[in-house]
Amino acid sequence: DAGVTQSPTHLIKTRGQQVTLRCSPKSGHDTVSWYQQALGQGPQFIFQYYEEEERQRGNFPDRFSGHQFPNYSSELNVNALLLGDSALYLCASSYQGFGQPQHFGDGTRLSIL
Amino acid sequence: TQLLEQSPQFLSIQEGENLTVYCNSSSVFSSLQWYRQEPGEGPVLLVTVVTGGEVKKLKRLTFQFGDARKDSSLHITAAQPGDTGLYLCAGVSYGNNRLAFGKGNQVVVIP
Repeated sequence: DAGVTQSPTHLIKTRGQQVTLRCSPKSGHDTVSWYQQALGQGPQFIFQYYEEEERQRGNFPDRFSGHQFPNYSSELNVNALLLGDSALYLCASSYQGFGQPQHFGDGTRLSIL
Repeated sequence: TQLLEQSPQFLSIQEGENLTVYCNSSSVFSSLQWYRQEPGEGPVLLVTVVTGGEVKKLKRLTFQFGDARKDSSLHITAAQPGDTGLYLCAGVSYGNNRLAFGKGNQVVVIP
């Protein structure tokens, strides 16, 4: 039973570029949440997708957008990258996720030069 | 402003010692989750506490949810090197059911 998988594992971009990160949820899960974890910090909630719609959003600018596909997989897009966007981006899945325990992937390490 | 404050931020102890770390907030939560994160990996759920005053045990780990549902503690008995990791608490808020994480307690157990 595959857990949450994320790709790519590492990514290097320059300021101003755009990036797309991908996530496949754990089998049987229908809700995907994205978090940003800066060095030395806990995960910060970006947004949550359920039934292909953004259900909740944290305090992140519109440069951060996402999508959920019919097979429940999800993408996180970040436009106009800034140096401060360098972080570990974690995807977590759950079943009908409000407040449910999250199953996390191992993240994508994004570095902005 | 951090919704959940975890202390101490860093703790280094010898194998066999006991330790307690704390997760505090001024907000009331419907439930609280504890995760452990190791380098290069995502957080892994350890336990969920739901009832005020609840105590849950997971082998040598004991988790307690405060009576007022604002705080929690994690106690590790006879720590082992395998307990090394970042311990994250996450509270579920009433209303929006959003999960908010603290910054974590970095625990290092020296053999």
